[in-house]
Amino acid sequence: GDSVTQMEGPVTLSEEAFLTINCTYTATGYPSLFWYVQYPGEGLQLLLKATKADDKGSNKGFEATYRKETTSFHLEKGSVQVSDSAVYFCALNRDDKIIFGKGTRLHILP
Amino acid sequence: NAGVMQNPRHLVRRRGQEARLRCSPMKGHSHVYWYRQLPEEGLKFMVYLQKENIIDESGMPKERFSAEFPKEGPSILRIQQVVRGDSAAYFCASSPPSARYNEQFFGPGTRLTVL
Repeated sequence: GDSVTQMEGPVTLSEEAFLTINCTYTATGYPSLFWYVQYPGEGLQLLLKATKADDKGSNKGFEATYRKETTSFHLEKGSVQVSDSAVYFCALNRDDKIIFGKGTRLHILP
Repeated sequence: NAGVMQNPRHLVRRRGQEARLRCSPMKGHSHVYWYRQLPEEGLKFMVYLQKENIIDESGMPKERFSAEFPKEGPSILRIQQVVRGDSAAYFCASSPPSARYNEQFFGPGTRLTVL
């Protein structure tokens, strides 16, 4: 079945460092791909999405490109802030449901 | 426009009791989804409902779990005779009838602890 695999955390970086969180997927067809973010004690917020191959989703300085050839959707940010500390989930849609990776916890040190 | 609302935010039950989790979708949204997040795991789909109809319950455990979304009022996820393994965060999401790319909006979750 469809699945999403993302790098295990926690990931700890210093403020202003470059961030990459790897995500790969297994799916039939061409699902839409998402990154969700969960701040402490809160629900999930959609961070960005891409709906077809070579699309780039972007929001709040984060970017991810839908790569069909490598079945990947890696999340990147050029300069992270302390406020980016959260858990990040890579996901895809399949019919009426969203399939999530296990999440990557990110700690940003001042 | 208020977001998806869930209550209670935290719920403690003893083994054998019943747990009722409520979800009010965003205004104008008629589709509701429930997901469960076990410790150190991602979210897993449980059930998809529209008003008065269960559309997909492929992720629901076969016993003790049920869900409804009545014509009036919030969606309810009900867990009978809870066991310790039911301890998890339960998230509700909603979407409008014409959601593109299945974009779902999530509530803050209910964290269930079974003693």
